[in-house]
Amino acid sequence: GAVVSQHPSRVICKSGTSVKIECRSLDFQATTMFWYRQFPKQSLMLMATSNEGSKATYEQGVEKDKFLINHASLTLSTLTVTSAHPEDSSFYICSARGSGGRNTGELFFGEGSRLTVL
Amino acid sequence: AQTVTQSQPEMSVQEAETVTLSCTYDTSENNYYLFWYKQPPSRQMILVIRQEAYKQQNATENRFSVNFQKAAKSFSLKISDSQLGDTAMYFCAFMRTLNYGGSQGNLIFGKGTKLSVKP
Repeated sequence: GAVVSQHPSRVICKSGTSVKIECRSLDFQATTMFWYRQFPKQSLMLMATSNEGSKATYEQGVEKDKFLINHASLTLSTLTVTSAHPEDSSFYICSARGSGGRNTGELFFGEGSRLTVL
Repeated sequence: AQTVTQSQPEMSVQEAETVTLSCTYDTSENNYYLFWYKQPPSRQMILVIRQEAYKQQNATENRFSVNFQKAAKSFSLKISDSQLGDTAMYFCAFMRTLNYGGSQGNLIFGKGTKLSVKP
């Protein structure tokens, strides 16, 4: 199957700093990427939809100024948590939908990134 | 709005036995996809099985099969010959038929069922 790589897998930062998480599709072009947040023992909650070359679409209740999403190319989307606070600590997962022949309805997931804000 | 309900927070099964995980969903759409994803302790989301709503035949993937009842909006997962490696969280998910752009085509997840396979 298609490969989506997320980096870093774990990050610890101090309160007030910003953290960037990268999501790359390694062997296909992803016109659309999705960013999810998962709290412990809970389901995945969609944060935003990232479309290459355009502004991200945020779900209700997600602060777009706090969670900056950039999808500058067909293989890379980034999520930047700005001025992180302890309540932002969570597991963040990206997924990508292929284009063209890769558009089969399936979303391919990254390995996830665990953010801990001290 | 679409919703996905998994009514079993936790289940356990003996190794080599069969277990069925339940999932119901609510939608007014006629065309859509349904998925079961597995999330082991590593947290990597792994696709287990996929069903297109227009297909009447139930999808199967080796030891995994579904019972898709479109009228009842039910999509259960059966795991046969359970193995220790099947221990994981299982999420049922719904996706509208793909449209390009916007939030259409994203996955809507149920709350998950924690499955434990016991030796």
